[in-house]
Amino acid sequence: DTGVSQDPRHKITKRGQNVTFRCDPISEHNRLYWYRQTLGQGPEFLTYFQNEAQLEKSRLLSDRFSAERPKGSFSTLEIQRTEQGDSAMYLCASSRGTNTDTQYFGPGTRLTVL
Amino acid sequence: AQSVTQPDIHITVSEGASLELRCNYSYGATPYLFWYVQSPGQGLQLLLKYFSGDTLVQGIKGFEAEFKRSQSSFNLRKPSVHWSDAAEYFCAVATDSNYQLIWGAGTKLIIKP
Repeated sequence: DTGVSQDPRHKITKRGQNVTFRCDPISEHNRLYWYRQTLGQGPEFLTYFQNEAQLEKSRLLSDRFSAERPKGSFSTLEIQRTEQGDSAMYLCASSRGTNTDTQYFGPGTRLTVL
Repeated sequence: AQSVTQPDIHITVSEGASLELRCNYSYGATPYLFWYVQSPGQGLQLLLKYFSGDTLVQGIKGFEAEFKRSQSSFNLRKPSVHWSDAAEYFCAVATDSNYQLIWGAGTKLIIKP
């Protein structure tokens, strides 16, 4: 069990630029989740995948946000035309895939939009 | 809609003293309940979880939590805190399908030497 990894750990970008974050889940995990965490708040659910299928995306914050998991392994979260309000920690988690399985979290990617 | 309230933003406890962190939830059915800990630079780590059965749940690092349906609470306790327990603690509730964790705003635990 090597844990959930995220890359990069930190990203600084200028307003209007596009950014992409990567998440590598624990290898045998079927479910992969994306959350956003702003300062002083708990994580906020964005989307999740069961293998390569994105089963919930209505909580993505706007149409500037999109996520993929093309082969059911790693996932990417892209934010287009970034805004200062997008500055936050973006967390990825994975689980085995049944309803009672624990979600294991990565260390997060901290995004700063200037 | 489901929600989680952690009434205390910060709690300061002396090392060696007991600890109780409060969590109240709003959910119509029997919830799945979780406590996670987040240390600076670290990912969220699960301390314990409740799905069903015994309402007193034991977790890692000497933590326990008690589910009280009548009070809609799931408070976290530890009999004696250590300086290494200083961190932020989050309570979360899951929906029926457990794909979406709903989180409280967190309680920051400060340990006095």
